[in-house]
Amino acid sequence: GENVEQHPSTLSVQEGDSAVIKCTYSDSASNYFPWYKQELGKRPQLIIDIRSNVGEKKDQRIAVTLNKTAKHFSLHITETQPEDSAVYFCAASLIGNTGKLIFGQGTTLQVKP
Amino acid sequence: NAGVMQNPRHLVRRRGQEARLRCSPMKGHSHVYWYRQLPEEGLKFMVYLQKENIIDESGMPKERFSAEFPKEGPSILRIQQVVRGDSAAYFCASSPDIGEKLFFGSGTQLSVL
Repeated sequence: GENVEQHPSTLSVQEGDSAVIKCTYSDSASNYFPWYKQELGKRPQLIIDIRSNVGEKKDQRIAVTLNKTAKHFSLHITETQPEDSAVYFCAASLIGNTGKLIFGQGTTLQVKP
Repeated sequence: NAGVMQNPRHLVRRRGQEARLRCSPMKGHSHVYWYRQLPEEGLKFMVYLQKENIIDESGMPKERFSAEFPKEGPSILRIQQVVRGDSAAYFCASSPDIGEKLFFGSGTQLSVL
C-alpha cells in the first residue's frame, strides 16, 4: 500500500522568511497530492492540492511542486506570517480507486515574529 | 452549507463502555471517511463508506470497531468495550465523489478513563 514520509517534523522560521516542507510517496500510481493545515484543536483544512498531470501550482504565498519521477512533492510558503504557525500534513491518493488519503506524519511550523 | 458536522466534540468513557461517534457529511456528499489521530501524530485512515455500503475498512481494527452509513441519518463509528489505547481524536471527512476534495469535520476527542 501507499506510504508517505514527511520532513522535517518541526520547522522554525523568522517572520518573512520562506518555509519548505517535503514529502515522498511510495506508490507510483498515486496521482493526487493535497496539503492540509491543522491549527491546535481544529480540523485539518485543505490549503492547496496538485494532480499528477501538473508539475507546479501556486496560490498567493503558497506553492506546491511535484516530481513524479522522484516521487516527491513539496510545499513552499513565502513571506511567512505568525498566523501560518500550525501543523501541516501532506497526503497522497489514487484517484479512481477509493479516494482515501494516506497522510504524512506532519510538520509543526513555528513562525517567530 | 454547514460543513461536515461531528458530535459529540468531546466524549469521555470508562474502560469497557461503548463509544458512538456521529458524522453528518456536507450536503450533497455521499462519500464518508473516518480517520484517527493520536497526539502529535498524523491522520490514520480507518474506513471509507458510501451510503449503506462499507467500501474499504482496511484501516479499522477487526475487533470492537464498526462503522455504518445508513440511507437516512449520519455515519456512525462505534467502538465497543473501549480501552485506554482508543483515546484519540476521530475525524470524519466527506467528499461529493471519488477523487474530489475531502473536507474534514471538527473531530471527536475520545478520552477513555
